[in-house]
Amino acid sequence: EVQLLESGGGLVQPGGSLRLSCAASGFPFSSYAMSWVRQAPGKGLEWVSVISGGGGSTYYADSVKGRFTISRDISKNTLYLQMNSLRAEDTAVYYCAKLSTMTTSWYFDYWGQGTLVTVSS
Amino acid sequence: SSELTQDPAVSVALGQTVRITCQGDSLRTYYASWYQQKPGQAPVLVIYGKNNRPSGIPDRFSGSSSGNTASLTITGAQAEDEADYYCNSRDSSGNHLVFGGGTKLTVL
Repeated sequence: EVQLLESGGGLVQPGGSLRLSCAASGFPFSSYAMSWVRQAPGKGLEWVSVISGGGGSTYYADSVKGRFTISRDISKNTLYLQMNSLRAEDTAVYYCAKLSTMTTSWYFDYWGQGTLVTVSS
Repeated sequence: SSELTQDPAVSVALGQTVRITCQGDSLRTYYASWYQQKPGQAPVLVIYGKNNRPSGIPDRFSGSSSGNTASLTITGAQAEDEADYYCNSRDSSGNHLVFGGGTKLTVL
């Protein structure tokens, strides 16, 4: 059974930093790209970042590029999101999601339950 | 353009058929995937690829695509289908992903 368990959320002041973790199990972790998706309170889903199975390729939404860093530790089956220079608009539930790919379709087949990040003074 | 556009809200009578649409330039190249999200819960994949359902998703859910528009159809909507629905696709660059703004489905 695939399981994704996020942790690390909490309250942080504007300009501060936070690192989210996502512990994965139930599938060959290094064989799949992983992603972070966030959802601000009462708003829709927003893709944040993706990392390839081996970790060699990473991509970011323009809204977080230069401030957030996605990484993975294959030995620990864990995905990370380092968030720096946090802003009030980064307040959201952050989900990690497993990405499956076909030639003409990428899709998130499993999601964690999310961790809430609140940026406020 | 890297945007996907959805109608904010749609309603359907119990047992009737409803179509939820998603428009965007990237859909001319890539298939959309569709997610159902109920309040306080994580999204759940309901359709991916040309028209594929994950295990456990009822066959009343189906997907289709034409030009720059992807559609999610629920044939015989049930009360438990009331939820927010989001489309998602790769963007035109191929390396990023993008979500539609979501459609709130009300089952009357």
